[in-house]
Amino acid sequence: TQLLEQSPQFLSIQEGENLTVYCNSSSVFSSLQWYRQEPGEGPVLLVTVVTGGEVKKLKRLTFQFGDARKDSSLHITAAQPGDTGLYLCAGAGNSGNTPLVFGKGTRLSVIA
Amino acid sequence: NAGVTQTPKFQVLKTGQSMTLQCAQDMNHNSMYWYRQDPGMGLRLIYYSASEGTTDKGEVPNGYNVSRLNKREFSLRLESAAPSQTSVYFCASSGRTGLNEQYFGPGTRLTVT
Repeated sequence: TQLLEQSPQFLSIQEGENLTVYCNSSSVFSSLQWYRQEPGEGPVLLVTVVTGGEVKKLKRLTFQFGDARKDSSLHITAAQPGDTGLYLCAGAGNSGNTPLVFGKGTRLSVIA
Repeated sequence: NAGVTQTPKFQVLKTGQSMTLQCAQDMNHNSMYWYRQDPGMGLRLIYYSASEGTTDKGEVPNGYNVSRLNKREFSLRLESAAPSQTSVYFCASSGRTGLNEQYFGPGTRLTVT
């Protein structure tokens, strides 16, 4: 069974601070996705990383896929209150439409 | 283009009652999913449909049934609701084979008393 472990589980920081959240597994994934979920809404896809070592940037968010495609990180620079939410990572297997494996998420609170 | 829509948004049931959660997508996606989300448990897959005409069990299928009515619609039925089914239910769809990027609906908040 493939599992994705996210850390930390909770994070509360001041506006302007930097932070990194992690998504780790012992399994290899063909790609890895990050979603953000705001209170009362469904998750929204932020990014998909496909190649080992790949780095993608989305404004102040930087996503990295590990070289071995077993782990990923999300780094936020100069966090803002609008970044508050639940961040979920999800791994895709190697075959067709095999369901995604989701981590349990990191709940981020950015205080103004 | 509404994306993924779910009805109802909120529902309260008594133990033993039945109900159907509706989901529709307008993105011409082949695959659709039903998840439940509980505090500390993350998103857990209940059932999915890789294509029209097929359905498969996910991680937590007991107590639920699904119907893929057509390419657009995928419904989730609770035949005899139990308090353990109190949760937030999300429907999702995906269209890119392999990447499986998912688009989620706004959720249904279900309370079973």
